[in-house]
Amino acid sequence: EVQLVESGGGLVKPGGSLRLSCAASGLSLSNAWMSWVRQAPGKGLEWVGRISTKTDGGTTYYAAPIKGRFVISRDDSKNTVYLQMNSLENEDTAMYYCIRDLNYWGQGTLVTVSS
Amino acid sequence: EIVMTQSPATLSVSPGERATLSCRASQSVSSNLAWFQQKPGQAPRLLIYDASTRATGIPARFSGSGSGTEFTLTLSSLQSEDFAIYYCQQYNNWLYTFGQGTKLEI
Repeated sequence: EVQLVESGGGLVKPGGSLRLSCAASGLSLSNAWMSWVRQAPGKGLEWVGRISTKTDGGTTYYAAPIKGRFVISRDDSKNTVYLQMNSLENEDTAMYYCIRDLNYWGQGTLVTVSS
Repeated sequence: EIVMTQSPATLSVSPGERATLSCRASQSVSSNLAWFQQKPGQAPRLLIYDASTRATGIPARFSGSGSGTEFTLTLSSLQSEDFAIYYCQQYNNWLYTFGQGTKLEI
């Protein structure tokens, strides 16, 4: 069975940090550009950023509200992608999904930023 | 940043009817457009990519059309399980963006 499983979400105070993981089973991530998308409670989808394959340089791209605070990385040996989130703000509260291509989505992990 | 605008925000239809959802891009995205369906408590599901190609397992009652800046998702003969929120997304450049969604309700 093909699965993407996110983990690492939880409650964090404003200004804090959190690292999310996205582990794949049943498919390889090494030849895929991977994205993170988030959804605030009751709101629409917001693209966070993506990382290219190592072959394409492992280049990262971020949405404007994210740039400079979040870092996407990958470890192809572990078939895992990461989202390091720093300087978290209340507005970062959301369900975070990882995506392979457009077709494979994880179930999401909830991040709550609150004092 | 390419801004995607969906209309209407909410569409009320009855089972068996046809629904037409629109998505407009602030600049051309060629055919690099996808449609997703999301039901409460679930992750989005890919319906259409490259503006008009159905994803694997998607019923033929879902169809997409358009190119450039104007796109349409058509659902013919609505089924009860089709009532959900639909999002368009462009992937024409390095910065992907979503529309704000259209809620399809009974």
